[in-house]
Amino acid sequence: GNSVTQMEGPVTLSEEAFLTINCTYTATGYPSLFWYVQYPGEGLQLLLKATKADDKGSNKGFEATYRKETTSFHLEKGSVQVSDSAVYFCALTPNTNAGKSTFGDGTTLTVKP
Amino acid sequence: NAGVTQTPKFQVLKTGQSMTLQCAQDMNHEYMSWYRQDPGMGLRLIHYSVGAGITDQGEVPNGYNVSRSTTEDFPLRLLSAAPSQTSVYFCASNLLGRENEQYFGPGTRLTVT
Repeated sequence: GNSVTQMEGPVTLSEEAFLTINCTYTATGYPSLFWYVQYPGEGLQLLLKATKADDKGSNKGFEATYRKETTSFHLEKGSVQVSDSAVYFCALTPNTNAGKSTFGDGTTLTVKP
Repeated sequence: NAGVTQTPKFQVLKTGQSMTLQCAQDMNHEYMSWYRQDPGMGLRLIHYSVGAGITDQGEVPNGYNVSRSTTEDFPLRLLSAAPSQTSVYFCASNLLGRENEQYFGPGTRLTVT
């Protein structure tokens, strides 16, 4: 079956530090890849996505590139802010069934001033 | 647009009681899904639907029933609650197609004593 593995957290950084959260996946075919963010007490919301190999998704200073050769979709941001503190989820949707998305376990990011 | 709405926000049940978690969306999305979120385990798919009258099981369907009589509504039923069903439940919807992101409701926090 499909699976998504995220780097274990929690991650604590100082403001303006560089962020990387690793995500690798296992899937047959050509899935779409997503990063979602969850703020305390809320549901998940889309951060960025990429739908084919070598695509780069970007939003609010965050970026991730769909690497088919390494089956990875690592999330990066050059300079984090306190407001980026949240839980980040990597997810895939298979091309065979758009109803059966698979999520990683989530990585909690805390940014200190 | 209200997006995806869920009720109730909080619920406490005794073991053996039944209840229905409500979910509605006003975006005319074909797909709707139910997930549970447990600490350190990410989101796990319970059931999903690809349209009115069509539902299928996800990763953890036991103890839960669903039906979808309209495009807008996708209730989740717990027939006989167990402490293992203590969790936060999220409903999500998305358009047809693997490239489309999911839109999440705010969640229902359920405690079974």
